[in-house]
Amino acid sequence: NAGVMQNPRHLVRRRGQEARLRCSPMKGHSHVYWYRQLPEEGLKFMVYLQKENIIDESGMPKERFSAEFPKEGPSILRIQQVVRGDSAAYFCASSPGLASEQYFGPGTRLTVT
Amino acid sequence: ELKVEQNPLFLSMQEGKNYTIYCNYSTTSDRLYWYRQDPGKSLESLFVLLSNGAVKQEGRLMASLDTKARLSTLHITAAVHDLSATYFCAVGRENTGTASKLTFGTGTRLQVTL
Repeated sequence: NAGVMQNPRHLVRRRGQEARLRCSPMKGHSHVYWYRQLPEEGLKFMVYLQKENIIDESGMPKERFSAEFPKEGPSILRIQQVVRGDSAAYFCASSPGLASEQYFGPGTRLTVT
Repeated sequence: ELKVEQNPLFLSMQEGKNYTIYCNYSTTSDRLYWYRQDPGKSLESLFVLLSNGAVKQEGRLMASLDTKARLSTLHITAAVHDLSATYFCAVGRENTGTASKLTFGTGTRLQVTL
């Protein structure tokens, strides 16, 4: 049973470009979470989605960031007009249901130059 | 707002020694997790603690939960070099109608030396 998959694993963008991060949850999991980890820090919650719905986006910056989890295909975290401060590791986690344990993907390391 | 604090932030210990990492959280919680992270890697789940007094052990690691004190501990027995990593605790809390997001502690970087 494949785990949570994320791609790309490493992404380099210049300031002002767009970054698209993809997350495929584990088979049978319909809940997806995105977390961001800045260097030398713990993970910070960004957004929680179920298929076609954003359930909790309390951790998402108000501007430039958006997330979706369409009926078909992976969940996508989109960052428009990236800035240096967006450089971080972005982790996706999935769970099979409410309040279930979350399983983390390998992360996407975004570097903004 | 839920806050999670870990201490120490950095721990250097010799092989064979014992030590404890502490995780304090500010409000009532439904579950507490311990994760391990190696440099540049993802998070590996170590323990899930669901109730007051819960104790779980795996190899040289033992985790416990005291919900009244809002405290969890991760005890390391007879440390070996392979345990060198960063350890995070994370707290999950139900918010009516939604699954709980996790609030992470700052992490404890453990370095085990010969």
